[in-house]
Amino acid sequence: QQQVKQSPQSLIVQKGGISIINCAYENTAFDYFPWYQQFPGKGPALLIAIRPDVSEKKEGRFTISFNKSAKQFSLHIMDSQPGDSATYFCAASVLSGNTPLVFGKGTRLSVIA
Amino acid sequence: NAGVTQTPKFQVLKTGQSMTLQCAQDMNHEYMSWYRQDPGMGLRLIHYSVGAGITDQGEVPNGYNVSRSTTEDFPLRLLSAAPSQTSVYFCASSIYRGSTEAFFGQGTRLTVV
Repeated sequence: QQQVKQSPQSLIVQKGGISIINCAYENTAFDYFPWYQQFPGKGPALLIAIRPDVSEKKEGRFTISFNKSAKQFSLHIMDSQPGDSATYFCAASVLSGNTPLVFGKGTRLSVIA
Repeated sequence: NAGVTQTPKFQVLKTGQSMTLQCAQDMNHEYMSWYRQDPGMGLRLIHYSVGAGITDQGEVPNGYNVSRSTTEDFPLRLLSAAPSQTSVYFCASSIYRGSTEAFFGQGTRLTVV
């Protein structure tokens, strides 16, 4: 049973465009929702994270939108650049729990000039 | 500050062989975990540890053993390698309980022939 469902599996965006990746979760106990970015040959690295007490968090060109009632959250990359080409993973966890992060299956983003 | 160090980076094994993937962190993190990454499958949790002497199974533990004798080290042992264990393996650590920022190693690419 997949606890975090991520879509799309792959995404091609023109330089300067907006990249949008969506995730949905089932476990209402989740209270921490990070996004990780992975470049080829590297380990994933934390990009941005949100708690459910806010509906949006912005860091530079990256924004997380969170809809608690729909149990969905999304990553928006504004003014996408070729350097943003990477695989993006959404994840979820219970901050007070013992279990590690649960990851989505990933989205491979390609930003073309 | 090295962060999370995994060795080796690449390994080829024959079916039935055993080996240990090494993981060490120098951040005094309590929480460590092992994931495998396969195309289209995302990051799947193999085993995790909430502190020295304590380990637990993740989503795909079969065929793997772990131990945590020190805070710094969390080796992953393949008991009898199978082609289905061909994957990229990532070790991660976080300050506590796995639910804050997870720091990943560079990965070990394992091929079982």
